[in-house]
Amino acid sequence: DQQVKQNSPSLSVQEGRISILNCDYTNSMFDYFLWYKKYPAEGPTFLISISSIKDKNEDGRFTVFLNKSAKHLSLHIVPSQPGDSAVYFCAALAGGTSYGKLTFGQGTILTVHP
Amino acid sequence: NAGVTQTPKFHILKIGQSMTLQCTQDMNHNYMYWYRQDPGMGLKLIYYSVGAGITDKGEVPNGYNVSRSTTEDFPLRLELAAPSQTSVYFCASSYLSGGETQYFGPGTRLLVL
Repeated sequence: DQQVKQNSPSLSVQEGRISILNCDYTNSMFDYFLWYKKYPAEGPTFLISISSIKDKNEDGRFTVFLNKSAKHLSLHIVPSQPGDSAVYFCAALAGGTSYGKLTFGQGTILTVHP
Repeated sequence: NAGVTQTPKFHILKIGQSMTLQCTQDMNHNYMYWYRQDPGMGLKLIYYSVGAGITDKGEVPNGYNVSRSTTEDFPLRLELAAPSQTSVYFCASSYLSGGETQYFGPGTRLLVL
């Protein structure tokens, strides 16, 4: 039972263009969402997050959008850079005493071509 | 600060053998976690701890055990290894219970043959 899904295993974009990574969730108890970035042979690192009381959060080139009614979130990277090439994981937290127990999606491999 | 360190980086284990994956953090974090990542899959939580002496099961705890005798260390024990435990194991620690503050180690790649 995959509660957080990233249906695109990979995405290829040209440098300078927009990258859009998508994530869907099924559990209505999720109220906090995060994106992590992972390079090969390294652990994931936190990128950006959004609370369910917001529909948008922006940090530099990275913006996350949340559509609660559709149970869908997306990460926009503008402009994309070759250094953004990595695996991106969507993750979710349930409310209350979740103790930081993250539920992850399968990940999307982003390749940004120079 | 070294952050979160994991040993070994890579190990080959025979079916039925046991081993302990080590995880240490030097950030005085209360929360610690063990995840596994199978090919093409996201990370799944095995066990977590909210402080020394307190541990609890995550989503996929079967075949594993943990202990937390100190704030710094959170070892993961595999008993009677099975091929299904072939995976990459990540340890993480966090000062708060939110996801933004989870710092991950570089991972241990385990192959059970």
